Amino acid sequence: NAGVTQTPKFQVLKTGQSMTLQCAQDMNHEYMSWYRQDPGMGLRLIHYSVGAGITDQGEVPNGYNVSRSTTEDFPLRLLSAAPSQTSVYFCASSDRGGPTPYEQYFGPGTRLTVT
Amino acid sequence: SQQGEEDPQALSIQEGENATMNCSYKTSINNLQWYRQNSGRGLVHLILIRSNEREKHSGRLRVTLDTSKKSSSLLITASRAADTASYFCATGVSGGYQKVTFGTGTKLQVIP
Repeated sequence: NAGVTQTPKFQVLKTGQSMTLQCAQDMNHEYMSWYRQDPGMGLRLIHYSVGAGITDQGEVPNGYNVSRSTTEDFPLRLLSAAPSQTSVYFCASSDRGGPTPYEQYFGPGTRLTVT
Repeated sequence: SQQGEEDPQALSIQEGENATMNCSYKTSINNLQWYRQNSGRGLVHLILIRSNEREKHSGRLRVTLDTSKKSSSLLITASRAADTASYFCATGVSGGYQKVTFGTGTKLQVIP
């Protein structure tokens, strides 16, 4: 299993540009989440999904959109990039059942810089 | 807002010593998890302790949970240079999807 994969690893955007961060998991997990990590702030939840077609907002959703058309994929869209969105973005998947309930599996992260 | 707060923020020890990190939280939880993050990498799950458990072991890791004090501790025994990383506690509340709230982390340096 590849686990959770994220692309790209690095991205530089200009203010106002849009882009999509890709996330995929091959563990058939119900739940998927997007976090951002800023220095000294820990991880903050942006959006999450409890299954295909079902998404909801987390702690810091403004400026981001998500959709989940399949169990495997959970892309994060930046609508109009702002310097405040410079951060490291992590995607994670988890399940409430199975051998490791609630354990989150993280992708390697995408380091985004907005100039 | 952050639910979990780790203490200390940074810790430097010699290889072979034990490392203890603490986590305090504010509201009732279903479980508490500890994660490790090596520099620039994704988080890796270490251990989960449920609210009805008081202590749990996994290899060189020992986690305690005191729900009356809303606190947890992570003990790493006989530390190694490879344990150098940031450690985060994450609290989960009950519900179908468990919104996990991460603390700001303890940065551990193990000196060979």
